[in-house]
Amino acid sequence: DQQVKQNSPSLSVQEGRISILNCDYTNSMFDYFLWYKKYPAEGPTFLISISSIKDKNEDGRFTVFLNKSAKHLSLHIVPSQPGDSAVYFCAASESQGAQKLVFGQGTRLTINP
Amino acid sequence: NAGVTQTPKFRILKIGQSMTLQCAQDMNHNYMYWYRQDPGMGLKLIYYSVGAGITDKGEVPNGYNVSRSTTEDFPLRLELAAPSQTSVYFCASSPIDEDISYEQYFGPGTRLTVT
Repeated sequence: DQQVKQNSPSLSVQEGRISILNCDYTNSMFDYFLWYKKYPAEGPTFLISISSIKDKNEDGRFTVFLNKSAKHLSLHIVPSQPGDSAVYFCAASESQGAQKLVFGQGTRLTINP
Repeated sequence: NAGVTQTPKFRILKIGQSMTLQCAQDMNHNYMYWYRQDPGMGLKLIYYSVGAGITDKGEVPNGYNVSRSTTEDFPLRLELAAPSQTSVYFCASSPIDEDISYEQYFGPGTRLTVT
C-alpha cells in the first residue's frame, strides 16, 4: 500500500524553463509535506516543506503547492538550472509523534542545456 | 559540525553473516532514524528513536535491531544477513523543533550487498 506516490519516474526539462514535479498521497492523516533532493552517492537533502494549513510555500526558485481536497502536491522550479538535475523525493508526515516520514518513489529530473 | 556520519560506505556480506552499520550525529538532535532505499524505490523507515534509551519499529523492521545508548549514536544491527537486505541504508536525525519543520538531516549512506 503506497501512501505517497510519484507517478513520473523521470522528467526532462530545458534549462531556463519551469520544472513541475507531482506527488499524490492517500493518507488523510498526513499534514506535513516535504521535498528532498538527492544526488548520486549522497544522502537526500531537504529542499522545501509545507504544512497542511497552507496551500503554497515559496523559497527562491522553488514553490510547493498543496491541494488537500485532491490529496496532491507539486514542486515548481523556475527557472530550471543544470544543477537541479537530481532525483526528487516527496515525503509526508503526521504532526503527532516522532516525525516519521513516508517517501514517494522519486522522480529523476534532467535539465538539458 | 560534521552533521550525520555513517560507516562503512560500502560492505559486502555473505548470507548469514552479521554486521553493524554505524551512525553518529553531532547536532544534539533528539530524533534519529534508519531508512533503506531499494533500487528505483523511495526510502522506507526501518527503526527510529526519540531519545537515548527509546527506540521503536518503523515500516520494515524485520531482520534488524537498533540501540540508542547516547544522543549521538544510533547503530543498526543485521544479525543474519539475507539477499533481501541488499540495499542502501541511510541514517537521519532531526531536532525537537517548536516550529515543527520536520526537516531531517541525512548521512551519505551505506551501500550493502548480501551474496
